Amino acid sequence: GQNIDQPTEMTATEGAIVQINCTYQTSGFNGLFWYQQHAGEAPTFLSYNVLDGLEEKGRFSSFLSRSKGYSYLLLKELQMKDSASYLCAPLGGFKTIFGAGTRLFVKA
Amino acid sequence: DGGITQSPKYLFRKEGQNVTLSCEQNLNHDAMYWYRQDPGQGLRLIYYSQIVNDFQKGDIAEGYSVSREKKESFPLTVTSAQKNPTAFYLCASRSDNEQFFGPGTRLTVL
Repeated sequence: GQNIDQPTEMTATEGAIVQINCTYQTSGFNGLFWYQQHAGEAPTFLSYNVLDGLEEKGRFSSFLSRSKGYSYLLLKELQMKDSASYLCAPLGGFKTIFGAGTRLFVKA
Repeated sequence: DGGITQSPKYLFRKEGQNVTLSCEQNLNHDAMYWYRQDPGQGLRLIYYSQIVNDFQKGDIAEGYSVSREKKESFPLTVTSAQKNPTAFYLCASRSDNEQFFGPGTRLTVL
């Protein structure tokens, strides 16, 4: 079966660092996507991890541990515009399956 | 300007009517996907296609149909058999290391 677990909501302060965790179970794992989705809009691609380890892309970094079925998205120097939902999506075979997402609230 | 287009952005239909949502991509991606999102919910997979002339059912395919006659196009038909068709529909295409979404179509069935 497939299962994806993320915290429902998180709150952080502008300028801080926040880590959004994701655990997953999926058959035929090929990689894992992270997306940002603002309310009422389509998801925006942030990262794709295939191998274990940390990949950094500007203020956003994503980590993957395939053996543990675990990933996290790290957001640095938080800005108000980072308030959004963050979606963890493992690619199993040819299917990309999404979790419910984590709603991040950034406060001043 | 490469990307994925979906049209229209908003669509209204009467109950009992079939409706087709368009999705076009010029990214040369082989794989394409249709998802549905309900308010406050995650994305659920309706259908996906790995290659032209081939497609598979996702987790919630009942009441929907698709075709993949061209690499660039993956239209979704919402049939009258779909019991709760009002939702936000998202199309995506994928290459080896990236998957992008179109802007989505909001379908409201009255």
